[in-house]
Amino acid sequence: ETGVTQTPRHLVMGMTNKKSLKCEQHLGHNAMYWYKQSAKKPLELMFVYNFKEQTENNSVPSRFSPECPNSSHLFLHLHTLQPEDSALYLCASSLQVTTDTSTDTQYFGPGTRLTVL
Amino acid sequence: AQKVTQAQTEISVVEKEDVTLDCVYETRDTTYYLFWYKQPPSGELVFLIRRNSFDEQNEISGRYSWNFQKSTSSFNFTITASQVVDSAVYFCALSGGSSNTGKLIFGQGTTLQVKP
Repeated sequence: ETGVTQTPRHLVMGMTNKKSLKCEQHLGHNAMYWYKQSAKKPLELMFVYNFKEQTENNSVPSRFSPECPNSSHLFLHLHTLQPEDSALYLCASSLQVTTDTSTDTQYFGPGTRLTVL
Repeated sequence: AQKVTQAQTEISVVEKEDVTLDCVYETRDTTYYLFWYKQPPSGELVFLIRRNSFDEQNEISGRYSWNFQKSTSSFNFTITASQVVDSAVYFCALSGGSSNTGKLIFGQGTTLQVKP
């Protein structure tokens, strides 16, 4: 496997279900990101992890719970979602989140298309 | 606040035509980075280019070229001799320097359709 992979690619769940999205990067990066892409909306950053520590939570509802056990893996645990949470969820990674004025390029996975019934 | 505007929602061209995708940005940072990504129907965002605010030199990569103009806060993308495989949604993005948290601010995207 190369680059950034995401599983599953498609997921249909009911509002009472609990499911998890998985992301794995094979680039040797230390920062990982979750984005949400809804129809007709720009990509929205949800969470950022840098060296396994969460550095950004963009006011995401608690029904989305991220987990980053190591720099290569990122999960998004889902529970009691709403139909408006249906979207494409994209994972990305970069070398790291720097504290100076540099910005590393983010590389994206193929996404998980989530449908909440 | 940072903002990226891609005013063209959809563009349709015939194969072999040249096409320019516009991107205008707003930021108060003196150091920042601009990106272009391509999103084909498969969904994955494919990285195309990254420029920092101090490098205004235009760049050409095969049929792709980018025109960065700080004076007009624009970072436009031109595809020369377009091909059907260029059909995708293209996103321009901005990331800040002084308040860098890894956050990318994306434009709304421009859907390009190249017809044979």
